[in-house]
Amino acid sequence: GAGVSQSPSNKVTEKGKDVELRCDPISGHTALYWYRQSLGQGLEFLIYFQGNSAPDKSGLPSDRFSAERTGGSVSTLTIQRTQQEDSAVYLCASTRGYEQYFGPGTRLTVT
Amino acid sequence: QQPVQSPQAVILREGEDAVINCSSSKALYSVHWYRQKHGEAPVFLMILLKGGEQKGHEKISASFNEKKQQSSLYLTASQLSYSGTYFCGTVGGYQKVTFGTGTKLQVIP
Repeated sequence: GAGVSQSPSNKVTEKGKDVELRCDPISGHTALYWYRQSLGQGLEFLIYFQGNSAPDKSGLPSDRFSAERTGGSVSTLTIQRTQQEDSAVYLCASTRGYEQYFGPGTRLTVT
Repeated sequence: QQPVQSPQAVILREGEDAVINCSSSKALYSVHWYRQKHGEAPVFLMILLKGGEQKGHEKISASFNEKKQQSSLYLTASQLSYSGTYFCGTVGGYQKVTFGTGTKLQVIP
């Protein structure tokens, strides 16, 4: 069956621009997570959705970051006024039980 | 409070065994283990639940000490395909998974 998909796969943007990253979870998966992984580093939790609500937003680095999930399915992570330190791979994962299924990620480069 | 993994890196020859440890400062409901190969997304290996139940990969085993808030992943008779970075993920509440610092494992012929 179809796995978690993310788009775009790569995004190069200029400092100060806004970007939107999209995640399509596996159908029926109620929980959705966003993580950030900088080069050679571990996974940094950003936000978690259960259905359309986000009980835990504690990982968002600043108010430039926001995320929403609609219809209990697709999620969008928005980064406003991008900075060079935002450059990283942004990973989305969905789960119905315990196992997290990761998407391929979006590689964001801010120039 | 990110879980701490040890060792940070290890090199094995094919057939050798390895143990990767994960330690948390918080009470845990469960521990996940994932492997990430270079340039790829993490892949689920195993979950350990309170009470000792385990679900996951048949050729990899793990332990979970709830009182000590520690977990260990046991890789036996390592194969070249085991190479990658291993992350533990601890679940304390709201199903939020906090990933550890990572252990880079390289298996050589």
